[in-house]
Amino acid sequence: NAGVMQNPRHLVRRRGQEARLRCSPMKGHSHVYWYRQLPEEGLKFMVYLQKENIIDESGMPKERFSAEFPKEGPSILRIQQVVRGDSAAYFCASSPRTDNTEAFFGQGTRLTVV
Amino acid sequence: AQKITQTQPGMFVQEKEAVTLDCTYDTSDPSYGLFWYKQPSSGEMIFLIYQGSYDQQNATEGRYSLNFQKARKSANLVISASQLGDSAMYFCAMRETNNAGNMLTFGGGTRLMVKP
Repeated sequence: NAGVMQNPRHLVRRRGQEARLRCSPMKGHSHVYWYRQLPEEGLKFMVYLQKENIIDESGMPKERFSAEFPKEGPSILRIQQVVRGDSAAYFCASSPRTDNTEAFFGQGTRLTVV
Repeated sequence: AQKITQTQPGMFVQEKEAVTLDCTYDTSDPSYGLFWYKQPSSGEMIFLIYQGSYDQQNATEGRYSLNFQKARKSANLVISASQLGDSAMYFCAMRETNNAGNMLTFGGGTRLMVKP
């Protein structure tokens, strides 16, 4: 049973470009969470999605950031017109339900904006 | 107010000794869960141990144990017999049932360095 898969592992974008980060949850998991980790800081919640629904996006910046989890395929975190401050590690986690005792994390995508 | 506080930005420990990493939390939710994760230099988040707020006993997983003091709202991680491979960032996190789903709130982390 493969774990949470994120790709790419590393992504370099020039200022103004779009960044698209992908997350395939563990098999059987229908809940996906995205977190951002700035250098030397802890992870900060961004958005919680279930299939075809955004449940909680209270941690998402109001502009340029969007997320989706379609019926088929991976969850996508999209950052439009990236700026240097978007440089961070972006982690995805998945769970089969809302009460499990372990949150399974992917290996993260490290975004560098140059 | 910070929900999860880790007051030790960095810690040194001698190889083979035990070390305690501090974590205090703040919640009004009667039901919550506490997690510890390890993040080595390679960057992945490795789950170590979980403690539920209603669990009667402190959680243990191999060399990891969680010193859970509910009245003091602390959930310190104890690593016994430290190894060089334990050098990493360690994050304490909390899940509150008032939150939608399984969203976690993380502390700022503690960098542990194990000396040979």
